[in-house]
Amino acid sequence: GENVEQHPSTLSVQEGDSAVIKCTYSDSASNYFPWYKQELGKRPQLIIDIRSNVGEKKDQRIAVTLNKTAKHFSLHITETQPEDSAVYFCAAKGYNFNKFYFGSGTKLNVKP
Amino acid sequence: DGGITQSPKYLFRKEGQNVTLSCEQNLNHDAMYWYRQDPGQGLRLIYYSQIVNDFQKGDIAEGYSVSREKKESFPLTVTSAQKNPTAFYLCASSPSTGEDYGYTFGSGTRLTVV
Repeated sequence: GENVEQHPSTLSVQEGDSAVIKCTYSDSASNYFPWYKQELGKRPQLIIDIRSNVGEKKDQRIAVTLNKTAKHFSLHITETQPEDSAVYFCAAKGYNFNKFYFGSGTKLNVKP
Repeated sequence: DGGITQSPKYLFRKEGQNVTLSCEQNLNHDAMYWYRQDPGQGLRLIYYSQIVNDFQKGDIAEGYSVSREKKESFPLTVTSAQKNPTAFYLCASSPSTGEDYGYTFGSGTRLTVV
């Protein structure tokens, strides 16, 4: 099956700086890659996603890039704010059916 | 809240007890899932269901059971065979066909063995 690795496990940045979280996947047939944000004690929320026919997608301060050849994708957050502090999960959709494999999460801390 | 409801929010289990976690959705989604979340390990799939009366084991199904008698409901039973059940349990749903969609998650149930 699919294996998703996520780095770093923790990330601390100063407010206003950029943050980058990276994920790799093993199954070249995976074709959909969502990112989730989970605030403490709350449910994960989808923040951005990318499909395999696209190399980059932006939504205001967040962007995701995908390199299919290298089988990695990254989340970029610019102009970070304290409310960006949360755990971020990447995921890859398996070949059959709508089943996702998740990375182990990155705890982002934005210091004011 | 978000169309998918999990209950209870907190649950305490004694040794040897079976407990059932509820998950209900009103999103008309065909597919439903149960994940377990432990610190530092991300989300691990327990069971999933593509359609009513059908479900499949995920990566860590041992000690768990599910049913899918209605489209809206996908309860998870944590049996006494699950030796380390203390965790945060998340239910999710999605359309099962068509374009790719991310999951919609419930708010979770925190299970503790006492």
